[in-house]
Amino acid sequence: GIQVEQSPPDLILQEGANSTLRCNFSDSVNNLQWFHQNPWGQLINLFYIPSGTKQNGRLSATTVATERYSLLYISSSQTTDSGVYFCAVEGATDSWGKLQFGAGTQVVVTP
Amino acid sequence: DTEVTQTPKHLVMGMTNKKSLKCEQHMGHRAMYWYKQKAKKPPELMFVYSYEKLSINESVPSRFSPECPNSSLLNLHLHALQPEDSALYLCASSRRAGLAGGNHSYEQYFGPGTRLTVT
Repeated sequence: GIQVEQSPPDLILQEGANSTLRCNFSDSVNNLQWFHQNPWGQLINLFYIPSGTKQNGRLSATTVATERYSLLYISSSQTTDSGVYFCAVEGATDSWGKLQFGAGTQVVVTP
Repeated sequence: DTEVTQTPKHLVMGMTNKKSLKCEQHMGHRAMYWYKQKAKKPPELMFVYSYEKLSINESVPSRFSPECPNSSLLNLHLHALQPEDSALYLCASSRRAGLAGGNHSYEQYFGPGTRLTVT
């Protein structure tokens, strides 16, 4: 199956800082999603982005499918941005609906 | 409305108990999923239902038994679990998945999870 690698594994930011999270994947994808998991375990959809660029407020994401990576940008970070960020992909040769998650990036934003 | 609901929020059960987890969505989605997430790990897919039929079983032990009684509901029946089955169980749904839905992949939406402890 498809392999997903996220970096960095941990990130500590001061409030107001910007950051970039990376997701590399080993094969073509049908689906790529970015999630934020809050401390209570809820997975919050950030982006559905198998290719291209999207923006939502202080967050934006870019997927370069031909080069097999995606980037999540957090600008002007806030303490509420703390949590784990997951990239999840569905490989083009995998069964439809089978999302493979990366190990996640643990983000801590300090006041 | 992109809401998936799960009950109960927390569950403690003994190894000889039988219990069920429930998941519901009213978005008209025709694919539903169960994931298991251990502490400090990413979610792992367990089962996929597409058009109320089981389409993926990721070699899950038979002590976990899924059921999809209709297009809005998904259950996970638990029996004779082990302490290592303690985890967060997440349900998700999407518009459709699989050949019946055509050659397209759709965004998955997750419920808040059931935190299960097996004693």
